[in-house]
Amino acid sequence: DGGITQSPKYLFRKEGQNVTLSCEQNLNHDAMYWYRQDPGQGLRLIYYSQIVNDFQKGDIAEGYSVSREKKESFPLTVTSAQKNPTAFYLCASIGTRGTKHTIYFGEGSWLTVV
Amino acid sequence: DQQVKQNSPSLSVQEGRISILNCDYTNSMFDYFLWYKKYPAEGPTFLISISSIKDKNEDGRFTVFLNKSAKHLSLHIVPSQPGDSAVYFCAASTLQGGSEKLVFGKGMKLTVNP
Repeated sequence: DGGITQSPKYLFRKEGQNVTLSCEQNLNHDAMYWYRQDPGQGLRLIYYSQIVNDFQKGDIAEGYSVSREKKESFPLTVTSAQKNPTAFYLCASIGTRGTKHTIYFGEGSWLTVV
Repeated sequence: DQQVKQNSPSLSVQEGRISILNCDYTNSMFDYFLWYKKYPAEGPTFLISISSIKDKNEDGRFTVFLNKSAKHLSLHIVPSQPGDSAVYFCAASTLQGGSEKLVFGKGMKLTVNP
């Protein structure tokens, strides 16, 4: 079955460390997204990518970095510059725009800074 | 600057009655609108979408209405069931610089009482 796989589901990070969250999809989708969810904030867009080797900053990109070397993969690195990284992170993908516009989400990754 | 707004944080309805969830947006360039349902610690689940060229889309118990002049959309759930209790997110998308940007509202918690 096709879908999006995020890993790890739970991750603890020490202050000053970089961590990378994995997002892989086998849906042959072009567009991929990273969101962050905090209580009362809904989903806020970090980065998004429409094609391989291209990506755009979302609304809260500071302290994060991404890469899109393969269509299937869109890893997110939470750098030490991110001042408040503890959150629930969601990866999503969208197929080619058409009459049935459906988006798939991964199960999410909980990041806690200790 | 919040482009997609869900102004009511919560709604409580009786089983069997209609649930109406509202969403407003500010960016007239949005051309696709989507509703998602989310349970705690899980990724959102797609419910229904609507293109800006339509004013209504129906799928089973779920109907989305779009009023472009008012920049307003709503999700109707009829009849409401206890299993519908979750947080509902409204989202809007637009092509920006060749990429599709997807923006979410803060979410609204729906409680359906038996």
